[in-house]
Amino acid sequence: AQSVTQLDSQVPVFEEAPVELRCNYSSSVSVYLFWYVQYPNQGLQLLLKYLSGSTLVKGINGFEAEFNKSQTSFHLRKPSVHISDTAEYFCAVNTGFQKLVFGTGTRLLVSP
Amino acid sequence: DGGITQSPKYLFRKEGQNVTLSCEQNLNHDAMYWYRQDPGQGLRLIYYSQIVNDFQKGDIAEGYSVSREKKESFPLTVTSAQKNPTAFYLCASRNRRDPNEKLFFGSGTQLSVL
Repeated sequence: AQSVTQLDSQVPVFEEAPVELRCNYSSSVSVYLFWYVQYPNQGLQLLLKYLSGSTLVKGINGFEAEFNKSQTSFHLRKPSVHISDTAEYFCAVNTGFQKLVFGTGTRLLVSP
Repeated sequence: DGGITQSPKYLFRKEGQNVTLSCEQNLNHDAMYWYRQDPGQGLRLIYYSQIVNDFQKGDIAEGYSVSREKKESFPLTVTSAQKNPTAFYLCASRNRRDPNEKLFFGSGTQLSVL
């Protein structure tokens, strides 16, 4: 069965610093990988997705992620964060069975 | 504007009571999903439906029930059998035939026990 691991439950960072949120997955078949963001008391919004092709994926709000098949990782990065990036970020995997499996989430805390 | 509407935003349940959470979408999506979100546990799938009049159990279906009588509606009932119902509930939908498989989420319902 597929699973997703987000090792960091919380990542504090100062404004304008770079950030990396880690995501590792396990699956024996081809995967689709996603990063979603959740602002307080709201639903989730798609940041970016990897389906196939280039391993570097660019998303909204300046975020990007790199798919690494050998390390089964899909880490999310941003070179310079803003206060408004404070939110919870979820990595998810879909192996095509119409069900998305989510990680436990990483709370990004950006301080001035 | 197209989207998913969940109501109510906040809901309180008395012990032994069944409560129903509403989820309506006007995106013409075939597939709809219910997730439960608890702090530190991420999202867990309760039920999902890929077509009208059909639905499947997810990973934590016990104590919940659903119906899918209309394409645009997928209500979730939290029954008295669910002993720990306090959580944030999220409804989502997707175009079943969309290869990008992006999920659209509602803004959620916070359920608490009185």
